[in-house]
Amino acid sequence: SSELTQDPAVSVALGQTVRITCQGDSLRSYYASWYQQKPGQAPVLVIYGKNNRPSGIPDRFSGSSSGNTASLTITGAQAEDEADYYCNSRDSSGNHSPWVFGGGTKLTVL
Amino acid sequence: QLQLQESGPGLVKPSETLSLTCTVSGGSISSSSYYWGWIRQPPGKGLEWIGSIYYSGSTYYNPSLKSRVTISVDTSKNQFSLKLSSVTAADTAVYYCARRGSSGWRVWGQGTTVTVSS
Repeated sequence: SSELTQDPAVSVALGQTVRITCQGDSLRSYYASWYQQKPGQAPVLVIYGKNNRPSGIPDRFSGSSSGNTASLTITGAQAEDEADYYCNSRDSSGNHSPWVFGGGTKLTVL
Repeated sequence: QLQLQESGPGLVKPSETLSLTCTVSGGSISSSSYYWGWIRQPPGKGLEWIGSIYYSGSTYYNPSLKSRVTISVDTSKNQFSLKLSSVTAADTAVYYCARRGSSGWRVWGQGTTVTVSS
């Protein structure tokens, strides 16, 4: 089965840009989706597909992908962006193959 | 607006079966091209996909849990359910139900905490 690897923690100064990465073999075949989770709340989808944001997600959130690495970039991080971020994609073995989440990255906004 | 709500016992004894239901409101569980899934999060840990059922009725499970998991749909009640057998303390978690289309897991329930303890 596939695994998705994320850095456990990342920090960014208020207003600066931060990139959160997700690595895995399945990302060569499938786009990742990204989820923001604040304490005590359900995850929220922030990026899906090549680089798409659901309505209501600020345009400071963007996504990209290269090879086996997907990235979530926050340009001009705000205090309210402090949260855990998870990537999600399929196992690489087919269109109905299992999904897998990355281990999550805790983002601290300084 | 589509909403999902988990329900079920908050306490399950070791070796017993955990049973949860997700009630869908504001839309039909039979809508085409959607997966309905269960995702859990142990205390202080990350998200783990448990399994999903496609609108066609096909089921897909996490290989690590496959031998213990059953997901089913009751279209008459607009609900889908999770059964996890032979639970241990390691199954203690917040359990979320969610819907996935082509754009990711876009709609989530609020989550329900299940503790496995005697």
